Amino acid sequence: EDKVVQSPLSLVVHEGDTVTLNCSYEVTNFRSLLWYKQEKKAPTFLFMLTSSGIEKKSGRLSSILDKKELFSILNITATQTGDSAVYLCAVVRGNTGKLIFGQGTTLQVKP
Amino acid sequence: ETGVTQTPRHLVMGMTNKKSLKCEQHLGHNAMYWYKQSAKKPLELMFVYSLEERVENNSVPSRFSPECPNSSHLFLHLHTLQPEDSALYLCASSQDRAGGGTDTQYFGPGTRLTVL
Repeated sequence: EDKVVQSPLSLVVHEGDTVTLNCSYEVTNFRSLLWYKQEKKAPTFLFMLTSSGIEKKSGRLSSILDKKELFSILNITATQTGDSAVYLCAVVRGNTGKLIFGQGTTLQVKP
Repeated sequence: ETGVTQTPRHLVMGMTNKKSLKCEQHLGHNAMYWYKQSAKKPLELMFVYSLEERVENNSVPSRFSPECPNSSHLFLHLHTLQPEDSALYLCASSQDRAGGGTDTQYFGPGTRLTVL
């Protein structure tokens, strides 16, 4: 059975801290891995990763994929209160384009 | 704004009511999706439409009935729902479902549904 597991499930840090969120997967016919940020309602897209070892970076956020060990990490440096959200990892499976989501990591950044 | 809109944003209905959720995308995408997000659970894929044809139905109960009249509009018709169907229903679209298109899905704001 396909599964995507995120850890930790929740995390509380203070502004300025660096956090690392983990996503491991077991998915038939892996195609790509996506990271989303969900604050109030709809998830907003952060990164799409398809190749191992290539870091994607956007401001204070970065992510990398390891297709051999079947995991990805999302790093946030110098966290701000506006980073507080649920971070979702999803894997796209093969030719169906089906997205399999992890449970999400709830990040709370305190002032 | 992601280019995907959903109406209504909030809906309260009784178990005997019939209602519909609407999704519209202004991105020129060919695939649209319905997701259910319940408290403390991962997002669940309900339906996928690619070029107006339903290509995947994840064993969703028949009280949920999707309709995709064209590539820009997607509906979810609801009837005789149960209280456990209360959740956030999210619509998403992508350039293409599979193959040469991108996999990135863009989500609407969701409809918060409460079934009494």
